Amino acid sequence: EAQVTQNPRYLITVTGKKLTVTCSQNMNHEYMSWYRQDPGLGLRQIYYSMNVEVTDKGDVPEGYKVSRKEKRNFPLILESPSPNQTSLYFCASSLFSGDGYTFGSGTRLTVV
Amino acid sequence: AQSVTQLDSQVPVFEEAPVELRCNYSSSVSVYLFWYVQYPNQGLQLLLKYLSGSTLVKGINGFEAEFNKSQTSFHLRKPSVHISDTAEYFCAVSVGAGGYQKVTFGIGTKLQVIP
Repeated sequence: EAQVTQNPRYLITVTGKKLTVTCSQNMNHEYMSWYRQDPGLGLRQIYYSMNVEVTDKGDVPEGYKVSRKEKRNFPLILESPSPNQTSLYFCASSLFSGDGYTFGSGTRLTVV
Repeated sequence: AQSVTQLDSQVPVFEEAPVELRCNYSSSVSVYLFWYVQYPNQGLQLLLKYLSGSTLVKGINGFEAEFNKSQTSFHLRKPSVHISDTAEYFCAVSVGAGGYQKVTFGIGTKLQVIP
């Protein structure tokens, strides 16, 4: 089944403790992206990647890092999480930049 | 920069009634347009997309949308809704620049279908 897999689905952590949210797609898509969803703000792009080793900032990149060492994986790294990063995070991929996305099921992160 | 406006934050509608969810965008260049649906505790799922060609686009679950360039709109419609259509719907616009298409989402419209 064609899908984007995110892990974990739920995560509660403490301020400052580094964490990684994994994202993997099995569709050989070139384009991958991370979004956060907050009430009243919709989805805001954090980072995107157009191919292996090609990444760039979205609208809200502060406090986040990404890497794209393999085509299928696009992990999101929070080096020192803070409470304002409590949110619902989505990874998404598409065949080409501008095509419709396939989304993962989301990761609900709480930073206390 | 492009922007997307979803004019209604919530739309209640009775089961089997028609519904229209409104979306307007602003962009000075050609765009791609999308509608996504998000069911509770799930990710977003692509309903339909307009890339080019016919301005009336049909999607999954009986939904359709019409691209109106002069009014910069891409409203989503369904002639008869079902309880299972209760969800949040997001309009999105994609604008190209130098090989990269930036996708901007609206803030969503919650569709509540009343039995």
